[in-house]
Amino acid sequence: GAVVSQHPSWVICKSGTSVKIECRSLDFQATTMFWYRQFPKQSLMLMATSNEGSKATYEQGVEKDKFLINHASLTLSTLTVTSAHPEDSSFYICSARDFFGRGDNEQFFGPGTRLTVL
Amino acid sequence: SQKIEQNSEALNIQEGKTATLTCNYTNYSPAYLQWYRQDPGRGPVFLLLIRENEKEKRKERLKVTFDTTLKQSLFHITASQPADSATYLCALEFTGGSQGNLIFGKGTKLSVKP
Repeated sequence: GAVVSQHPSWVICKSGTSVKIECRSLDFQATTMFWYRQFPKQSLMLMATSNEGSKATYEQGVEKDKFLINHASLTLSTLTVTSAHPEDSSFYICSARDFFGRGDNEQFFGPGTRLTVL
Repeated sequence: SQKIEQNSEALNIQEGKTATLTCNYTNYSPAYLQWYRQDPGRGPVFLLLIRENEKEKRKERLKVTFDTTLKQSLFHITASQPADSATYLCALEFTGGSQGNLIFGKGTKLSVKP
């Protein structure tokens, strides 16, 4: 149990285009999902916290108009990178917490999406 | 601001030995301190969580200690195996408004040689 999937697992796009990444909790409900970004040999950096049915909370320095987050249901959150540029190339990872609080308060992470902007 | 340091960027040990990884933090003690494993190109996988009022926690070959005086957590893997080779991440979680937000260290890359 407690599986989180991400789609796509990798994407290559041209500069200026938009890319949508999906994060799904497959066997549990998640009122809160988190989006992280990880550059090579760096730690995961929290970008935003996504709450079902309400606006996402963005971390300082993360442009909300560039990284659009939608959390329309208890099992799906999407991150759209708008007008992507090469500096947005990174590994994007989502995580989710079980709404019913099963487990040990941990977050369950997706497998990540590798974005490369040419 | 809160900082986390995982002292070793890389750790190489022989199979069968105990691997000990260190996580130090500054400022406030977190409500929870978590350890994750991350394989190349994959998302982190949860291993253990220890609360600020707990000194030690075990799970199979894994052991985590938490010393709020030293502001340090130690992560041990006993009887290490080549399959334990991965990057291990320490993460802090605080309560209150930032509950659920994890602050990650850069990780320690563990290599277990047969």
